[in-house]
Amino acid sequence: EPEVTQTPSHQVTQMGQEVILRCVPISNHLYFYWYRQILGQKVEFLVSFYNNEISEKSEIFDDQFSVERPDGSNFTLKIRSTKLEDSAMYFCASSERGGAETQYFGPGTRLLVL
Amino acid sequence: GQNIDQPTEMTATEGAIVQINCTYQTSGFNGLFWYQQHAGEAPTFLSYNVLDGLEEKGRFSSFLSRSKGYSYLLLKELQMKDSASYLCAVRDRASGGSYIPTFGRGTSLIVHP
Repeated sequence: EPEVTQTPSHQVTQMGQEVILRCVPISNHLYFYWYRQILGQKVEFLVSFYNNEISEKSEIFDDQFSVERPDGSNFTLKIRSTKLEDSAMYFCASSERGGAETQYFGPGTRLLVL
Repeated sequence: GQNIDQPTEMTATEGAIVQINCTYQTSGFNGLFWYQQHAGEAPTFLSYNVLDGLEEKGRFSSFLSRSKGYSYLLLKELQMKDSASYLCAVRDRASGGSYIPTFGRGTSLIVHP
């Protein structure tokens, strides 16, 4: 069964450093998403992406964040200058269509900012 | 999805039925999702409701009342593997006009023999 994959599974970085989290969505999916979950807290939506554009973003997704689909398979989340409070699990998801369509989540990248 | 309330924790017996409630307040409701999340894992989609009524999918059913700002997830014939956190998420109109999902804190369900 096709699945969303994410790399790395864990990343440790120093405050102020840039990180890039990578995702490979399911191949025939057209809509892509990033979520984060701080340890012990609720899941938070960051951004959705379709047709090479951001379609929706939350207040969390400020200028420090960016997303890109650099090729036909990868979908990346970049954090330009990490802060301690960026430490969280970051989940990528994809869906065939938008709206109510089932979103398939990747296993997540655990980011720790020191 | 400014205020989404779910019970923090519930316990139930294997084979029983459990109902997990979710109440919400929105400015522009555009659907409600239920997800299952096992500890340390990613959420898994269970259901989506945008119209009032009951949606049934195997052992799981989800109900929505838009006028009451209320939904529930019903789990039948509980199995030990159903022990997980159940997340209610509401798509609501954000200040910028787009619709984004807001998640509740989740209900931790413990199924015991």
